[in-house]
Amino acid sequence: AQSVTQLGSHVSVSEGALVLLRCNYSSSVPPYLFWYVQYPNQGLQLLLKYTTGATLVKGINGFEAEFKKSETSFHLTKPSAHMSDAAEYFCAVSMIKAAGNKLTFGGGTRVLVKP
Amino acid sequence: SQTIHQWPATLVQPVGSPLSLECTVEGTSNPNLYWYRQAAGRGLQLLFYSVGIGQISSEVPQNLSASRPQDRQFILSSKKLLLSDSGFYLCAWSSRGWTGGGIGAFFGQGTRLTVV
Repeated sequence: AQSVTQLGSHVSVSEGALVLLRCNYSSSVPPYLFWYVQYPNQGLQLLLKYTTGATLVKGINGFEAEFKKSETSFHLTKPSAHMSDAAEYFCAVSMIKAAGNKLTFGGGTRVLVKP
Repeated sequence: SQTIHQWPATLVQPVGSPLSLECTVEGTSNPNLYWYRQAAGRGLQLLFYSVGIGQISSEVPQNLSASRPQDRQFILSSKKLLLSDSGFYLCAWSSRGWTGGGIGAFFGQGTRLTVV
C-alpha cells in the first residue's frame, strides 16, 4: 500500500521568501501525485498534479512541484510567498488503475506567512 | 462545468442522535464518490468510496455508514453519534476509469460536525 509523508506539520515563512513544502511517497511504482490547498473551514482545492511527462509541473497561484523518481519526492515550491498563501497544504497520491481512483493524503503542512 | 454541493455547512448534534449528511454532484455522470473526515489537527481519512449506485466500500470500521441511492448523490449517516464522530467531513468526486485517477478528486466545501 502506498503512503505519503509530509515533513513538517507547520512552516513559517516571511512574505516574499521562498516557500518549500516537502512530500515523499512510498510506492512500488510511480503513482499519480497531487498537491491540494485548504483554507480555513473550506474544502480542498487542487493546486497541481503530476501524471506523466515533464517532471516539473506548474500549478495555480505561482506554485510548482518537481517529481523526482529517484528520491520518491514531489516537493512544492513558490519563489515568493504572499500573505494569501497562508493555508494548509496536502500532498496526495493515487495509484494508476487503483480501485475507485482513491487518493491517499499526507498529514498536511500548515503555512504561516509573516509580514 | 462540474459542481459539488455538500450540506449543511455546520451541524451541532447531541451524543446518541442520528446523522445524515448529503452530497450531490452536477455536470458529470458515473462519478466515483468519496467521504473523508478531517479530525482537528489531523490529515484526511478516507471513510467510504463508491464506484456506482448502491456500491459502497468502507475504508475504516466505525460508527458511520454511507449510501448512494442515485448516481450523483452520496449520503453519510449514523444511527447514534459518538463524541469521537466530531470533525470536518468532506465529500469529493472523481472521474471513472484509470484516466480519472490522473485528474484527481474535487471536493465540496465540507460540513463541520460537533457532537456535544
